[in-house]
Amino acid sequence: DTGVSQDPRHKITKRGQNVTFRCDPISEHNRLYWYRQTLGQGPEFLTYFQNEAQLEKSRLLSDRFSAERPKGSFSTLEIQRTEQGDSAMYLCASSSRGDGHYGYTFGSGTRLTVV
Amino acid sequence: DQQVKQNSPSLSVQEGRISILNCDYTNSMFDYFLWYKKYPAEGPTFLISISSIKDKNEDGRFTVFLNKSAKHLSLHIVPSQPGDSAVYFCAASLTNTGNQFYFGTGTSLTVIP
Repeated sequence: DTGVSQDPRHKITKRGQNVTFRCDPISEHNRLYWYRQTLGQGPEFLTYFQNEAQLEKSRLLSDRFSAERPKGSFSTLEIQRTEQGDSAMYLCASSSRGDGHYGYTFGSGTRLTVV
Repeated sequence: DQQVKQNSPSLSVQEGRISILNCDYTNSMFDYFLWYKKYPAEGPTFLISISSIKDKNEDGRFTVFLNKSAKHLSLHIVPSQPGDSAVYFCAASLTNTGNQFYFGTGTSLTVIP
């Protein structure tokens, strides 16, 4: 197992375009998280899946954002009609536990630049 | 509303000395506190955690102390090594929200050889 994989690593898009990111978690982890990190800030929670069910969504996740985890394995995060304020690092993480004892395993992230 | 705060953006320490990174929080309901380490172009890596029912947890060179009355935790690295140079994030979790983590803004540690 190579850990949490995210694709692409970098994405440059024009304002108004749609983008989609993919996350492949550690195979035995049933919990999957999406976070966003902007410059000078810590990661901010976006959404959380347990298996295929999306159980939590942050108010940061506007209606332009949608996330799916169709078969409880990989997940996608789509941003429609991108804005310059969407430029950030998008981090995916997975875990097998529902508490903070062992933390998450994060991927290396997808850096989005909206021009 | 920043519930987890790291007030020192950067810290420089001589190799072999102790590094102390600090973190304050506002929500008394947090049940776990964690430290993550991040190198450039990589995702954060879990370092150490502490339950809210404990006041100290140690793992090798890393020790986390929790002072619930002051809503303060700290990470001690002894002895500091050049490979410890990274950004350190403090995080806190609420298990009943699906283990959502609240992160601080990070402290950049530089260990000088």
